[in-house]
Amino acid sequence: QKEVEQDPGPLSVPEGAIVSLNCTYSNSAFQYFMWYRQYSRKGPELLMYTYSSGNKEDGRFTAQVDKSSKYISLFIRDSQPSDSATYLCAITRPGRQFYFGTGTSLTVIP
Amino acid sequence: ETGVTQSPTHLIKTRGQQVTLRCSSQSGHNTVSWYQQALGQGPQFIFQYYREEENGRGNFPPRFSGLQFPNYSSELNVNALELDDSALYLCASSLSTSGGQETQYFGPGTRLLVL
Repeated sequence: QKEVEQDPGPLSVPEGAIVSLNCTYSNSAFQYFMWYRQYSRKGPELLMYTYSSGNKEDGRFTAQVDKSSKYISLFIRDSQPSDSATYLCAITRPGRQFYFGTGTSLTVIP
Repeated sequence: ETGVTQSPTHLIKTRGQQVTLRCSSQSGHNTVSWYQQALGQGPQFIFQYYREEENGRGNFPPRFSGLQFPNYSSELNVNALELDDSALYLCASSLSTSGGQETQYFGPGTRLLVL
């Protein structure tokens, strides 16, 4: 069983839509949760970093963590064509490596 | 921009050859991690270096090796290249303290093609 599973997509939405991206993880020991955005042929860029259950908001982006369900989500409000990219979830715990999901490809259509 | 740089950006090698990839970490960071990202997949952890010592390794064979230098820059070496080694190789830097490792910031990657 993989440490983290991510909905693979691809996902295609019209401009202005709300996007929901999701991952589940297997081990309740994981404490830190991240979302990265990766444009084609580029390195991943950190979007959100959280370590507690609940919501964390940054502009149009909201990261949600439900530790009881081992479920993490990223919501994008008012999606823009520039949001078109692959979104990667990542998890870790102290002293351990980072584990990444396989990524969800998002296309926002103008 | 994260401040993490990698060289070269692209590389073409043939099977059996050896390759060295380089990474300069972000200022103030003391930990470097290397990842392999195949097309359509998430990054897979190769290994991590902290204070010039290997500090964790993923499921990669010994022909994948690395170094970290006193200025925290790093190299990834791959010997006896195989076709399946074709991938984007990512370097990520972070700050490790007694409280643990802070999150990682990635460089742009080196795209390796093995023919």
